[in-house]
Formats: sequence, structure tokens, C-alpha cells
Amino acid sequence: QVQLQESGPGLVKPSQTLSLTCTVSGGSISSGSYYWSWIRQPAGKGLEWIGRIYTSGSTNYNPSLKSRVTISVDTSKNQFSLKLSSVTAADTAVYYCAREIPEYRWLQLINWFDPWGQGTLVTVSS
Amino acid sequence: QSVLTQPPSVSAAPGQKVTISCSGSSSNIGNNYVSWYQQLPGTAPKLLIYDNNKRPSGIPDRFSGSKSGTSATLGITGLQTGDEADYYCGTWDSSLSAFWVFGGGTKLTVL
Repeated sequence: QVQLQESGPGLVKPSQTLSLTCTVSGGSISSGSYYWSWIRQPAGKGLEWIGRIYTSGSTNYNPSLKSRVTISVDTSKNQFSLKLSSVTAADTAVYYCAREIPEYRWLQLINWFDPWGQGTLVTVSS
Repeated sequence: QSVLTQPPSVSAAPGQKVTISCSGSSSNIGNNYVSWYQQLPGTAPKLLIYDNNKRPSGIPDRFSGSKSGTSATLGITGLQTGDEADYYCGTWDSSLSAFWVFGGGTKLTVL
């Protein structure tokens, strides 16, 4: 059973770069046709998708964050990572990593997130 | 401001039924498939429904999903106190800048 675990600094200074890693266990990050996503949730608020990476290395990002986000994958370590630059207090949130499962039916994409990591709180403060 | 619209809260008594709506547009719900996630207090979201109406193994049939046009609905019957949680709908938005979108979440209170 695949499990995901986020790791990284819990405190980042404004204007600096937030860096997080998601370690995948119970299966190879390279096996299967999955996307690997980052999703965040400010305290008391809803979910916001940040972006994803495919096993081939191709990426998609939320247009509202695209200029500041980089997602990469390290298959040798079974990990994928998030970098978010020029952070402000508005980037304070719990950050989740999740596996996105795509299926195709009559050329139509059906996709969903399962499983999710437990989440890690990142606070942006001086 | 979330792309998908959900009621902020719903409530019902134990044993009763409740529905949670999720409204979108033709670029998201109207032409893609909806999934639902349950977030118990202090925990990560968990997959509840995928492909509009399918339940992963381990999810009881008290939970159901449906979609019509640009709206989706999550139904929960036989409410239990353990169902108290935040529920989120999500889907792919295939507009020019394709990306995932979620509803703002609905807090379910079992009175």
C-alpha cells in the first residue's frame, strides 16, 4: 500500500524559498501512470492545488502560482519535491502531497487523489 | 474564493440523511469527473467518491455521489457522529490553463 510523507522546514522567512519533499513508500514512484501533486490548505480554509509532476517529468501548475513554483522528481530516492519562491505570509498553510490516479474512458480523463500524505505545516514569518 | 461552490455547512440528526452540493461550470464539472474527499478534524483529506459516483474499497455504501450538468452532489445516509467532518468536491478544470479545482468545503455537523 502506497504511503506518502512530507518533510521540510516548518518555518520560512518572507521573500525566501519554501522547499518540501514528499517520500513515497510501498511502491515505486516510477511505476504506473500516476501524477504526483502538491496541495495546500491555509488554516480554516479550503484546499488549493499547487501543481503536479508526471513520472516522465512533465509538470502542470496552478496558474495563480505558476511563476513561483517548481516541482521536480528524484526517482532514485522515490521522492518528489516542491519549491515555492518569494513567499509571503499568505503562503502559510498545511502542505499535502498526494498521488493523482488518472484513468481514460472513451478518451475522457477520469482522475482523483489517493492517497494523501499527512501534511506538514509551513509558517512564513520573520 | 473557490472555483467550485459548496454550502459552508450542513447539519442533521444521527440516522438521518444529508446532501452536499457542489456547483461549477462547463469547463470543470460539466465536462470532467468529480471526486469527493472527507477531512476529519486534524487529519488529511481522504478519498470518499471518485468518477462521480464510485466508492473506493472500505467506504460504506452510506456514501453516494451523483452529477448532473455542472453540479454534483454527495449524499450520506444513516448519519453517525463519526461522519462529522469537512467535505470537499474536486475536479479538473480544462480551461485554457488546465488545473485542479476544489470547492470551499462543507462542514457537516451531526446534531
